[in-house]
Amino acid sequence: DTAVSQTPKYLVTQMGNDKSIKCEQNLGHDTMYWYKQDSKKFLKIMFSYNNKELIINETVPNRFSPKSPDKAHLNLHINSLELGDSAVYFCASSQGQRGYTFGSGTRLTVV
Amino acid sequence: GNSVTQMEGPVTLSEEAFLTINCTYTATGYPSLFWYVQYPGEGLQLLLKATKADDKGSNKGFEATYRKETTSFHLEKGSVQVSDSAVYFCALSEGDSGYALNFGKGTSLLVTP
Repeated sequence: DTAVSQTPKYLVTQMGNDKSIKCEQNLGHDTMYWYKQDSKKFLKIMFSYNNKELIINETVPNRFSPKSPDKAHLNLHINSLELGDSAVYFCASSQGQRGYTFGSGTRLTVV
Repeated sequence: GNSVTQMEGPVTLSEEAFLTINCTYTATGYPSLFWYVQYPGEGLQLLLKATKADDKGSNKGFEATYRKETTSFHLEKGSVQVSDSAVYFCALSEGDSGYALNFGKGTSLLVTP
């Protein structure tokens, strides 16, 4: 059983399109996150949800909208995709500061 | 806010060499500290962690000690293997940041036979 699973693994799309990345965790964790890893491997927090409530919303364009239908799911919707959105997006979950677990990543390429 | 600074890479070592990757942090309180490893084409794996001062985290021959006086959490391994080639990330987490991990920029390690 995959603890944190995200789909799709690869996503190639054209500029201006809207796309979603899904994330699910089966660890019973209360907190879920989205991180972005750029081409230089730098990892930065984008959003954090605790029990479906948004608690971190870093300086991210409002084209990015997270949605948490329940505490096991945190999806990321991106509108009007731009070239600069190309990156690897990682979902993660934790129970407070314990048990951080990452998904395997979604490589988004905008052409 | 908090931040993590780790040594720039890439680091290239011969097999069985000693490894040190420096990591220092700034924080307002008492963070938990982590080292993550990312193998080529893969996601992030927790390598080790420490939650309070003087704690030593260890795993797979790697170790790091939480030094509050020098605000450091340097990663060490006595004898590296080719299979250790990866990118290593130092990170911290504080309660006032909603427990999100704040990562350093990563250090790429290449171990040659």
